[in-house]
Amino acid sequence: QKEVEQNSGPLSVPEGAIASLNCTYSDRGSQSFFWYRQYSGKSPELIMSIYSNGDKEDGRFTAQLNKASQYVSLLIRDSQPSDSATYLCAVHGSSNTGKLIFGQGTTLQVKP
Amino acid sequence: ETGVTQTPRHLVMGMTNKKSLKCEQHLGHNAMYWYKQSAKKPLELMFVYNFKEQTENNSVPSRFSPECPNSSHLFLHLHTLQPEDSALYLCASTPGGGALETQYFGPGTRLLVL
Repeated sequence: QKEVEQNSGPLSVPEGAIASLNCTYSDRGSQSFFWYRQYSGKSPELIMSIYSNGDKEDGRFTAQLNKASQYVSLLIRDSQPSDSATYLCAVHGSSNTGKLIFGQGTTLQVKP
Repeated sequence: ETGVTQTPRHLVMGMTNKKSLKCEQHLGHNAMYWYKQSAKKPLELMFVYNFKEQTENNSVPSRFSPECPNSSHLFLHLHTLQPEDSALYLCASTPGGGALETQYFGPGTRLLVL
């Protein structure tokens, strides 16, 4: 079983729709969870971080965490073509070192 | 992107060459990281340095040799690489290496080994 699992996609949504990106992780003791966005040929940039169960909203983005189900998701409301990118889920394990485990990433395509 | 810089941005090398990748962060951070990103694979952590000390070596082959002379600079020395080492090499930094900290990535060095 992969430590952090994402559907590689591509996930295609029309402009203005809600895009839902999902991620599961295997380390039940994981402490922190991150969503990074990576445009083609660019480096990852942080979109959201979440540390406790529930929802966290920031503009059009909402991160959802369910530690019991070992599941974290990212919702993008009113999707724009500029949101087209690969979204990387990253999970910090239960040790105290700064070791992030990344998923393979989900490619999102927002069609005008 | 100017917080963490990497040079060169592109590198082509033969299997017998020796080259070095350089990373510099201007954020006042104390932890620095090397990642490898290959096509169709997750981002893989290679090395972690915290206050200039190596705290993580993720079973990386010895043909990759990191060096961290101070908290602002990180190098990755390359020798006798294989074609499968071709990838995007990303440097990142965090304030102190803790679990809740955001990783700030550099633009990466795209490496091609012939």
